[in-house]
Amino acid sequence: ETGVTQSPTHLIKTRGQQVTLRCSSQSGHNTVSWYQQALGQGPQFIFQYYREEENGRGNFPPRFSGLQFPNYSSELNVNALELDDSALYLCASSLWPSTDEQFFGPGTRLTVL
Amino acid sequence: KQEVTQIPAALSVPEGENLVLNCSFTDSAIYNLQWFRQDPGKGLTSLLLIQSSQREQTSGRLNASLDKSSGRSTLYIAASQPGDSATYLCAVRLLYNQGGKLIFGQGTELSVKP
Repeated sequence: ETGVTQSPTHLIKTRGQQVTLRCSSQSGHNTVSWYQQALGQGPQFIFQYYREEENGRGNFPPRFSGLQFPNYSSELNVNALELDDSALYLCASSLWPSTDEQFFGPGTRLTVL
Repeated sequence: KQEVTQIPAALSVPEGENLVLNCSFTDSAIYNLQWFRQDPGKGLTSLLLIQSSQREQTSGRLNASLDKSSGRSTLYIAASQPGDSATYLCAVRLLYNQGGKLIFGQGTELSVKP
């Protein structure tokens, strides 16, 4: 059974640029959630995708957008990067509605200069 | 608005000690509560998931309890080891939330000294 994988591991961008982060869900999982974790803080929910549809969104502006593909992998896109977007971005997958336990990937560390 | 608080923010104990980490939440209408472990700069590892109808879950040296009425959960670690050093996070999923959103505490950073 393959766990949740994310790419890239690290990324450095400058303010105003756009970035795409990728996530492959655990084998068989149909739901993907994205979280932002600033240094020293708990993760904050960005949004969730279930069967390719957005299924809930946290308090993040529209420049944070996402996609889920037929194989349940997912992308997080952030436009017009700001310095405060520097964080660890975590992807989690689960098999809804069979189980609600969420399994997290290793994260992508984004630095905005 | 649901708020999740973890106390203490940091804890240092000698190896072999039994310890308790605390998590409190303001809204008792939760679907479940999950405990995670996070090593520095890494992702989260799920430790235990407690459904709202359950009182506790156990896995090896770990035991998590849930008291919805008082808005509290505890994670008990028996016979701590240096390898247990990490940040421990609790997260709740609200009963009425459709998006599967987890609300996290800020974590307790645990250091177990040899």
